[in-house]
Amino acid sequence: TQLLEQSPQFLSIQEGENLTVYCNSSSVFSSLQWYRQEPGEGPVLLVTVVTGGEVKKLKRLTFQFGDARKDSSLHITAAQPGDTGLYLCAGSYGAGGKLIFGQGTELSVKP
Amino acid sequence: DAGVTQSPTHLIKTRGQQVTLRCSPKSGHDTVSWYQQALGQGPQFIFQYYEEEERQRGNFPDRFSGHQFPNYSSELNVNALLLGDSALYLCASSLAPGGGYGYTFGSGTRLTVV
Repeated sequence: TQLLEQSPQFLSIQEGENLTVYCNSSSVFSSLQWYRQEPGEGPVLLVTVVTGGEVKKLKRLTFQFGDARKDSSLHITAAQPGDTGLYLCAGSYGAGGKLIFGQGTELSVKP
Repeated sequence: DAGVTQSPTHLIKTRGQQVTLRCSPKSGHDTVSWYQQALGQGPQFIFQYYEEEERQRGNFPDRFSGHQFPNYSSELNVNALLLGDSALYLCASSLAPGGGYGYTFGSGTRLTVV
């Protein structure tokens, strides 16, 4: 069974704090994607990482793909209330292939 | 440029009934995938359609079936609905299966089975 485990499942922090979300698997993926989903909406793609060890930055968000392409992390610096939402990691075995999602991390940033 | 459009947005059905959900892909995309997202969970892959054929299928029973039309739009059909089928059904479009990693999701159809 292909599994992606995310941790933590829930995170409640104050505005300005830093946080890291982890995504781990025993399988090797050709790519790892991170999505953010708000209530009543579909997931919105934040980033795709494809190379082992790759690091991508998107403003205050830093994404890393593990060297062995089995794990990934999302780090948010100085979190803001607008960062609140469900963060999902998803692995793929090839371009255009099915996505295998983790169970998500529910982030709440309080002002 | 319109993104992925799904209809209806909400639906309530009775156990045993059949339901059809619809999806129009993002302009320029020709591949449609369907996902089921139960409350508090990540989406689970149902199947993918390209060139009007089912190309990949997840671990879902035959009660779940689909179709893709020549204009790339797609339908998801679920027969003999069970209470456990209650979920958010998401449609995602992309370029041809080998066309890269870019997926665009619709806002989903919230199905409630009573």
